[in-house]
Amino acid sequence: EAQVTQNPRYLITVTGKKLTVTCSQNMNHEYMSWYRQDPGLGLRQIYYSMNVEVTDKGDVPEGYKVSRKEKRNFPLILESPSPNQTSLYFCASSLKARIYEQYFGPGTRLTVT
Amino acid sequence: AQSVAQPEDQVNVAEGNPLTVKCTYSVSGNPYLFWYVQYPNRGLQFLLKYITGDNLVKGSYGFEAEFNKSQTSFHLKKPSALVSDSALYFCAVRDMATNAGKSTFGDGTTLTVKP
Repeated sequence: EAQVTQNPRYLITVTGKKLTVTCSQNMNHEYMSWYRQDPGLGLRQIYYSMNVEVTDKGDVPEGYKVSRKEKRNFPLILESPSPNQTSLYFCASSLKARIYEQYFGPGTRLTVT
Repeated sequence: AQSVAQPEDQVNVAEGNPLTVKCTYSVSGNPYLFWYVQYPNRGLQFLLKYITGDNLVKGSYGFEAEFNKSQTSFHLKKPSALVSDSALYFCAVRDMATNAGKSTFGDGTTLTVKP
């Protein structure tokens, strides 16, 4: 089944404890992206990657890191999480030629205390 | 800079009535415009897109959207709403001329269809 998977789905952590949210797709998509969803703010793009080893900042990259060493994986790293990073995070992917049609993962709900 | 505005947080319609969810955008180049739907506790699903061509585009589940360049709008429509259409709807834009990788989403509109 073609899909985007994210792990973990739920995470409660404490301020300053490094964490990684994994994202993987099995559709051979070149493009991958991370978003956060907050009430009243919609989806905001954190980082995106047009292909392996190519990453760019979205609208809200502060406090996040990403890497794209393999085509299928695009992990989101929070080196020192803070409470304002409590949010619902979505990973998405698409073919570069069909960049308008993103496939979204199920989401990761992160709480930082 | 690109932006999207969804002026209504909430839209309520009766089942069987037509529905419209509004979206306006701002980009410096030619816009690619999209609508996505999010059902409770789910990720977003692609509904439809406008890239070029006919101003009226058709998508999944009987939805359509009308691109209006002069009004910089891309409203989502459906002739006859179903209770199962109740969900959160997002409009999004990409400026393909300047930065194809960057997506900007609106704040979302909650559609409630009552029986």
